[in-house]
Amino acid sequence: RKEVEQDPGPFNVPEGATVAFNCTYSNSASQSFFWYRQDCRKEPKLLMSVYSSGNEDGRFTAQLNRASQYISLLIRDSKLSDSATYLCVVERESSASKIIFGSGTRLSIRP
Amino acid sequence: NAGVTQTPKFQVLKTGQSMTLQCAQDMNHNSMYWYRQDPGMGLRLIYYSASEGTTDKGEVPNGYNVSRLNKREFSLRLESAAPSQTSVYFCASSEFPLSGLSTEAFFGQGTRLTVV
Repeated sequence: RKEVEQDPGPFNVPEGATVAFNCTYSNSASQSFFWYRQDCRKEPKLLMSVYSSGNEDGRFTAQLNRASQYISLLIRDSKLSDSATYLCVVERESSASKIIFGSGTRLSIRP
Repeated sequence: NAGVTQTPKFQVLKTGQSMTLQCAQDMNHNSMYWYRQDPGMGLRLIYYSASEGTTDKGEVPNGYNVSRLNKREFSLRLESAAPSQTSVYFCASSEFPLSGLSTEAFFGQGTRLTVV
C-alpha cells in the first residue's frame, strides 16, 4: 500500500462547479501536509499548506482530518485554468527524505 | 528571474552510457534536491543536499551519484544508464531543508530522459 494515496481521476467537471478530492496517508505520525499543483509536462508548484484548523485561499480550501488520516482540497467556482494535476504531499518527519509525494489527481475543467 | 534551471530538457541514452544532469538555482537557497517522476507514481527523492558541502541519499539513490559543486549547483550523474532510469527528473531548491517550517520547494522544468 502506498504511503500517500490519491484517486488519479481524471475529474472532469464543468466550469463554475465545485470539486473536491481527498488524499489519504498511512503514517499516523505524519506532521505536515501540502497541496502542489502540476500543469501538464511542467514542474510542480506549491498551491497551499494544510493546517490542522483548515485554511482557505480564495477559491481553494484545504482541510486536514487526522483521525481518519486524510486531507482534502475543495475548489469552488472552478475555472478552466484550474485544469492540472494536484499532488498531495505529506511530511513524515522533519527531514527532506521524509517528504512523500502522492501520484496526483488529474482535474479537467470543461467550458 | 531564472529560479531553478535544469539542462538538458530532453535526452536519449543507450543502455550503459553515462551522463550528468545539471541544475543551478539563483535564489541563494541552501537546500537542493533531485527527484524522479514516473507515470502513476509521485515524485521520488533520489538525493538531496541540505546545505553546501553535504549530500544524502533519498528513497531511490541506486544507480545515481550527485555533486553539490557550490551553493548554486547540484548535479546528478548516471554512471551506466539502464532502461529503468527512463523518467522525468526534477531538480528543486528550498531556502531551508524541507520541513514543517519551510516547505516551499521551487522546481526546475524537468529533464525527460529515455534510456533505450
